[in-house]
Amino acid sequence: EAGVAQSPRYKIIEKRQSVAFWCNPISGHATLYWYQQILGQGPKLLIQFQNNGVVDDSQLPKDRFSAERLKGVDSTLKIQPAKLEDSAVYLCASSGKGYGYTFGSGTRLTVV
Amino acid sequence: AQKITQTQPGMFVQEKEAVTLDCTYDTSDPSYGLFWYKQPSSGEMIFLIYQGSYDQQNATEGRYSLNFQKARKSANLVISASQLGDSAMYFCAMREGQTGGGNKLTFGTGTQLKVEL
Repeated sequence: EAGVAQSPRYKIIEKRQSVAFWCNPISGHATLYWYQQILGQGPKLLIQFQNNGVVDDSQLPKDRFSAERLKGVDSTLKIQPAKLEDSAVYLCASSGKGYGYTFGSGTRLTVV
Repeated sequence: AQKITQTQPGMFVQEKEAVTLDCTYDTSDPSYGLFWYKQPSSGEMIFLIYQGSYDQQNATEGRYSLNFQKARKSANLVISASQLGDSAMYFCAMREGQTGGGNKLTFGTGTQLKVEL
């Protein structure tokens, strides 16, 4: 089966600009997760979707971050405006009925 | 309190030797799962091994084994016969709640493993 697809792979933007990341999960996986991983740290959950509904967005900085999962399939995470501290790898993952989680290759964001 | 604690920021091991990476966890949920992932410098999260809270035996996958001590709430990863390609960041993670329940993973801070000749 195809893996979790993410794009772009890398992105460099200036602070105060906006950026968007895209994720296409494993076909049939109901749950989609966006994680932020700052260099040298473990991934931190930003938002979790079950189908097209939000389950957990308690760690999402809602003044600048937004996410949607239209039609319960692919998802977009947006940052507007970006800050220097948003420099990180943004990982998308999905899970289904089994115990496993499948991660995408991530988007490495650098804010300068 | 931290849900997942990895106390070893960095570890060194000689090639062909075994190494143990420590992980302790904290949960009051009787149903949970413990995972280990490898993250090389390229950034992808590679699944290594899984242990369910009700599993009676310690999980093994090739050169990886999980030393699960439920009463002590520890889930240490043992890598046998280390190889140069094992050099990477290793993360312990926990899912609280039942399998397939759409529950998030919570990660530790990771251990950077370096395998030396």
